[in-house]
Amino acid sequence: DAGVIQSPRHEVTEMGQEVTLRCKPISGHNSLFWYRQTMMRGLELLIYFNNNVPIDDSGMPEDRFSAKMPNASFSTLKIQPSEPRDSAVYFCASSLKGGYTFGSGTRLTVV
Amino acid sequence: GNSVTQMEGPVTLSEEAFLTINCTYTATGYPSLFWYVQYPGEGLQLLLKATKADDKGSNKGFEATYRKETTSFHLEKGSVQVSDSAVYFCALNWNTGNQFYFGTGTSLTVIP
Repeated sequence: DAGVIQSPRHEVTEMGQEVTLRCKPISGHNSLFWYRQTMMRGLELLIYFNNNVPIDDSGMPEDRFSAKMPNASFSTLKIQPSEPRDSAVYFCASSLKGGYTFGSGTRLTVV
Repeated sequence: GNSVTQMEGPVTLSEEAFLTINCTYTATGYPSLFWYVQYPGEGLQLLLKATKADDKGSNKGFEATYRKETTSFHLEKGSVQVSDSAVYFCALNWNTGNQFYFGTGTSLTVIP
């Protein structure tokens, strides 16, 4: 199994641009999570899905952030428009019955 | 509510020193407890876990015992190596596939 696959690994974009982060969970896992990691705030849960349905999006910071999971094998996190304070590492994780597996993350830099 | 509190870092140790990273939790009932490790430039990886009181999780020389009476799950290793340098996260979960509650992470640097 290739694990949780995130793309891109690194993204540099200009303020105001749209950014889309992608995640492919482990096959068979029924829960998917998006986290943001910064030095100031540590690891923050943004949103999670069970069986492709968003369950808790209370961690999504603003309306500029949106996440979708159109099927069991793919999810996106979109930021539109992006701002410099969105710079962080964004992790996707998937799980089945409590066993979490994290992807390697996307390092986003907004200049 | 549910929360995890772990000791502030950073922690710097010499190779072969004894390591303890404290972790306490607040939760109703009996969650499962975990330690995750994040090496530089990588995502979090499961290090060890314990699913009920008095269970001991162990892996790669690390150990942690689920102490219900003190609501703790302290991470220990008898002799650290340079390769153990990483950020360690304590977490709890209810084994339902739902969200984990992570501590803030403790950065460990081991110097030769």
